[in-house]
Amino acid sequence: AQKITQTQPGMFVQEKEAVTLDCTYDTSDPSYGLFWYKQPSSGEMIFLIYQGSYDQQNATEGRYSLNFQKARKSANLVISASQLGDSAMYFCAMREGRDTGGFKTIFGAGTRLFVKA
Amino acid sequence: SQTIHQWPATLVQPVGSPLSLECTVEGTSNPNLYWYRQAAGRGLQLLFYSVGIGQISSEVPQNLSASRPQDRQFILSSKKLLLSDSGFYLCAWSVAGSYTDTQYFGPGTRLTVL
Repeated sequence: AQKITQTQPGMFVQEKEAVTLDCTYDTSDPSYGLFWYKQPSSGEMIFLIYQGSYDQQNATEGRYSLNFQKARKSANLVISASQLGDSAMYFCAMREGRDTGGFKTIFGAGTRLFVKA
Repeated sequence: SQTIHQWPATLVQPVGSPLSLECTVEGTSNPNLYWYRQAAGRGLQLLFYSVGIGQISSEVPQNLSASRPQDRQFILSSKKLLLSDSGFYLCAWSVAGSYTDTQYFGPGTRLTVL
């Protein structure tokens, strides 16, 4: 069963506007972590932001924020004030089983973001 | 600061040939290490992970193998490559015992099997 779902294969946003990239997940583990990574055309995966399942507040890192809705099992990435350099693939990922010592992180299929000048 | 290296950056190999991809991490000790494969236009698939020297866990049965001969060195190998082994291979590390287990990735190796 697919555990990480990114329903938007591609997104367009105008430079300087905000954009939301969707991510839903499925787990029965009460302890898990959610990540967003950026992959530019060079291929390197760049860590952006992390949200723990027990965190009370939404995570923020500069222009990135994570809209965490636990009951809906969603972890959407919000990029404010988009820049041309934000054009890239974005992957949502989930790490399960922290308490059991698991190390498995699974990735969604990704969303390609295009920022228009 | 920590850095992670992978080489080679690109590789073109014939079917049936052997493979050796290397990953090294600097600036940290006893990291968790990971090998992922990314098919074109797809997400990442975890292949192997390691929590210490000589300790390898395989996630996907295939003709690939991994070894960790030194604390900060992780090697991905194959005795005979298949066409389906083509892809982008990424190595990653995380801090052992960290609560988040955030993984940091290397630049990747693009492998084409002809």
